[in-house]
Amino acid sequence: QKEVEQNSGPLSVPEGAIASLNCTYSDRGSQSFFWYRQYSGKSPELIMFIYSNGDKEDGRFTAQLNKASQYVSLLIRDSQPSDSATYLCARGGDSSYKLIFGSGTRLLVRP
Amino acid sequence: EAEVAQSPRYKITEKSQAVAFWCDPISGHATLYWYRQILGQGPELLVQFQDESVVDDSQLPKDRFSAERLKGVDSTLKIQPAELGDSAMYLCASSQPAGVTDTQYFGPGTRLTVL
Repeated sequence: QKEVEQNSGPLSVPEGAIASLNCTYSDRGSQSFFWYRQYSGKSPELIMFIYSNGDKEDGRFTAQLNKASQYVSLLIRDSQPSDSATYLCARGGDSSYKLIFGSGTRLLVRP
Repeated sequence: EAEVAQSPRYKITEKSQAVAFWCDPISGHATLYWYRQILGQGPELLVQFQDESVVDDSQLPKDRFSAERLKGVDSTLKIQPAELGDSAMYLCASSQPAGVTDTQYFGPGTRLTVL
């Protein structure tokens, strides 16, 4: 079992819709979670992080964390074609601060 | 806006040759990471430095890979000899340790192709 699991997709949504990206993790001791966006051929760029149970909003993005279910999600409201990318979920927060990444979910936003 | 710098951006080499990648972290960031990302997968940590000291190199193939951060600022990752399976994106990231919210910022990466 991988430490961080994501559906590879692609997840296809129409422009203006809400895209929901999901991530599960196996280590109950994980403290913080990060979402990165990666365009094809480019490096990951940070969207947001979350470490408390519940929701955290930043513009069109909302991260949700449920530690009891070991589940993290990212909601993208009013999806735009420019949001089409691979979204990487990572867990961090252990003593070394290193990140463990999932394989990413590819999102396609149809005009 | 401060960024992580990496060079070269692209490198094509033949197997058995030596290659080297350079990274300059965001100014003031004490922690530097080298990741390898194979197409279709997430980045995997190769080595982590805190200042000039190695914190974690458990996934670094030490028979062929080496990394250094001599003055605790910029860093070099070397592969000698390169193998076909080393073709990947090599990413450098840096962070200013902040406990549970420690946030890593990535450079543009070096795309390595081994022929």
